[in-house]
Order: sequence, then C-alpha cells, then structure tokens
Amino acid sequence: KAGVTQTPRYLIKTRGQQVTLSCSPISGHRSVSWYQQTPGQGLQFLFEYFSETQRNKGNFPGRFSGRQFSNSRSEMNVSTLELGDSALYLCASSPSDGANEKLFFGSGTQLSVL
Amino acid sequence: GQQLNQSPQSMFIQEGEDVSMNCTSSSIFNTWLWYKQDPGEGPVLLIALYKAGELTSNGRLTAQFGITRKDSFLNISASIPSDVGIYFCAGRINAGNNRKLIWGLGTSLAVNP
Repeated sequence: KAGVTQTPRYLIKTRGQQVTLSCSPISGHRSVSWYQQTPGQGLQFLFEYFSETQRNKGNFPGRFSGRQFSNSRSEMNVSTLELGDSALYLCASSPSDGANEKLFFGSGTQLSVL
Repeated sequence: GQQLNQSPQSMFIQEGEDVSMNCTSSSIFNTWLWYKQDPGEGPVLLIALYKAGELTSNGRLTAQFGITRKDSFLNISASIPSDVGIYFCAGRINAGNNRKLIWGLGTSLAVNP
C-alpha cells in the first residue's frame, strides 16, 4: 500500500507570493491533517479535513487555508507569504475509524521563503 | 496552545546503552502515541497506547501509558546508530469534538558508534 505522498518536496518562494501544497493520503484513509514544523517548535497543527469538510482548525492566521477533494486528496494554500512561514509542512492521513486512529505522515514539503 | 512536556530535550549516548524518555501533561489523555522522525522525513509511528497502565513493545522499544493517564514513557534498549533521530510523543483527549493530538517538542537522540 503506497504511503502518504506530498508534492512538491522542496519549494522556494519570495515574500508576498502564495503557495499551494498537495497531499495524497493512503488509499482508503478519509482524514487528512496538516502540520507546520519549525526547529524547536515541534509540530503545530494547522487543520484537519474529513469527507471534504474541515473538522478541526489550529491557531493560524487566515492566510493559511486548505481543502479536501472527493478522492480524499488535500491541498493547503498559504497566501501573502512571510519569512516566518519557512518550515517543513507535513501532511498526515488516518482512516478515521474511531477514537483509536493513528496518523501516518508524508515526507513533507520544505518551504523556504526568501 | 496546549503542549506536552517532553524530556529530555536531547540525549547523546554510546551505542549499546539503554535510553529513556518521557512526556507529562496536566491533562488526562485517552491515547498516547510515540513517533520517530529521521532528518528530512515525516514522523513514523512507533507505538500506540490506549489504556492506563498499558505496556507495549516494538522490537527494542517499549512504551508505557502512565497509570495517572497524564504521562507516558518510551524506552529503547541496546541502542544502535540507526536509532538516531527525533522522538515525539503525542496525546489525545477524546472529548466530544475535541480530538486533536497534542504534541511534545521532541527528544533528539544521538548515538555514538
């Protein structure tokens, strides 16, 4: 079974630009979560989607948005990029089969904002 | 936001030594998860715990769900160079619609061959 696939692997943007990151979950998984990871800050939760609906949201500004398609694939978008948005963005999928669900992560997209 | 207290922050050990790390919280959790992250990769699930007092092993790794439900421990026995990486704990409170995972800041492990 293929794992979680994130594209692109690396991205370089400049301040003010916008960016779209893509995530394909494990086949059969219906939930997709996004995290931002920066050195020393651990994993910061962005949002979770389930059946094309946002189910949970972290404490990030409105510049960060996402969506999920009918095939469970998900995209996240960051508009008006700032230097502080440089981070590893991780996508995780889960079967969402109840309270004992586990997250399975992709390799991430490393975003650098110059 | 809410975070777990994970310690130690980093460890540098000799190959063959045993390793212990833990996470504590002021909140009661229903689930504890332990992940390992290699450089440039996403975290990989090592062990999942669902009951207070539960002790689960995965090869040389053993994790326990604390009796108070506010802490969890991960032990690695006879460390080897490929154990190098960052270990994260994560806990979940299943209360109504609040099903988010709360993450520790990680324990960075270095192993000297």
